[in-house]
Amino acid sequence: EDKVVQSPLSLVVHEGDTVTLNCSYEVTNFRSLLWYKQEKKAPTFLFMLTSSGIEKKSGRLSSILDKKELFSILNITATQTGDSAIYLCAGPLNSGGSNYKLTFGKGTLLTVNP
Amino acid sequence: EPEVTQTPSHQVTQMGQEVILRCVPISNHLYFYWYRQILGQKVEFLVSFYNNEISEKSEIFDDQFSVERPDGSNFTLKIRSTKLEDSAMYFCASKIGTSGGELFFGEGSRLTVL
Repeated sequence: EDKVVQSPLSLVVHEGDTVTLNCSYEVTNFRSLLWYKQEKKAPTFLFMLTSSGIEKKSGRLSSILDKKELFSILNITATQTGDSAIYLCAGPLNSGGSNYKLTFGKGTLLTVNP
Repeated sequence: EPEVTQTPSHQVTQMGQEVILRCVPISNHLYFYWYRQILGQKVEFLVSFYNNEISEKSEIFDDQFSVERPDGSNFTLKIRSTKLEDSAMYFCASKIGTSGGELFFGEGSRLTVL
């Protein structure tokens, strides 16, 4: 069974800190790995990673994939209170063709205190 | 910016009643999905829909569940006879095509079964 495991499950930091969120996956047919941010309701897309070693960046957020180690990290620098959310890692892991069934991890609950 | 819209945002129903959750996917998207998230748990795949038919469904999606796209814009999830354990946030999502790309999620419909 495909699995996505995130760590830590929760993290409390102060504004300005840098955080690293981890995602490991076990997969039979890797296609891509996605990061989402979930605040109150809908997951909102952050990054999609398909190639090893290529960092994706968006402002203070960045992410990288290691396909050999089956691992991805999400970095947030100079955290702000608005970064407080659940960060979800997901992949269309064992889904053939166009089905694109996402398997989600449990998420990391990030709390940024002022 | 185009978005996936869902109604209702919250529905309370009695056990055994039928509910219909509605979604309007992004207009040029071809793939549609329902996911659910029970409070405090992972986001779970329910069903994917393409070309007016179900392309994949999970074990959760039993005979009590059905989906349809009656008029080319709405995408509905029907639960025929709700159970207490159906209480969850139901997310509709859509994707433009087969070649990877992000899944766009709606804001969710919270279903409470009493």
